Amino acid sequence: NAGVTQTPKFRILKIGQSMTLQCTQDMNHNYMYWYRQDPGMGLKLIYYSVGAGITDKGEVPNGYNVSRSTTEDFPLRLELAAPSQTSVYFCASSHGELFFGEGSRLTVL
Amino acid sequence: KQEVTQIPAALSVPEGENLVLNCSFTDSAIYNLQWFRQDPGKGLTSLLLIQSSQREQTSGRLNASLDKSSGRSTLYIAASQPGDSATYLCATADKRPGGTASKLTFGTGTRLQVTL
Repeated sequence: NAGVTQTPKFRILKIGQSMTLQCTQDMNHNYMYWYRQDPGMGLKLIYYSVGAGITDKGEVPNGYNVSRSTTEDFPLRLELAAPSQTSVYFCASSHGELFFGEGSRLTVL
Repeated sequence: KQEVTQIPAALSVPEGENLVLNCSFTDSAIYNLQWFRQDPGKGLTSLLLIQSSQREQTSGRLNASLDKSSGRSTLYIAASQPGDSATYLCATADKRPGGTASKLTFGTGTRLQVTL
C-alpha cells in the first residue's frame, strides 16, 4: 500500500497563477482532508470530504477549491495564487485514524 | 470552537530520561484524540489513537492517556533516545451527528530534542 500520495512535492508559482495539488489514497477511506501548515501556527483545515461527491469547507477555505469525484482522489485547486498561500500543504485520509501524505511545499512569489 | 494547546513549545532532555508531553483541549465532547510525530520537512506519522471511551493507549515506549473531564491528554515517552527528536502534535476529532468522526483540531506541537 502506498498510503496517501501527494504531488508535486515542491512548486513555485507567480502571483495570479493557478495550480492543482493532487492527492490520492489507496486505503479506501471515506474521509479526506486538506490542511496547510505555517510556521508556529499549527495545521489549519482548508477543506474536507466525507465521501465521493461530498465536500465541505474547513477553517481557511478562501482562495481554494476541491472536488471529490472518486473515493481515491481529492485534488486541491488554487485559483489566482497569492503570497499568503505560501505554505506546506498536507493531504490526509481517515477511517478513524488519520494518515498523512508527505506534503507539498508551495511558494508564491 | 475547539482549541488545543500544547505546552511547552520546546523541550530538551538528555538521553535515557522519561518525559511527559502535555495536550489540553477546551471542548470535552470529542470523538477521539490522536498523537502524531513530525520530523523536519516530513508529513505527520500517527503514534497513538485514543477513543473517547478509553483512558489510555500504549505502543512500545509510548503511553498516551486521556482525561476528557479535565480536557487533558499526556504522552509519556520512556527511556528517551536521540531518534525520538521530532515535533509531537496532538489533535482532537469532533463528534458528528450519528457518532462518526469529523474534522480534527491540532495543537501547535512540542519540539523535542533528546541529547546524547
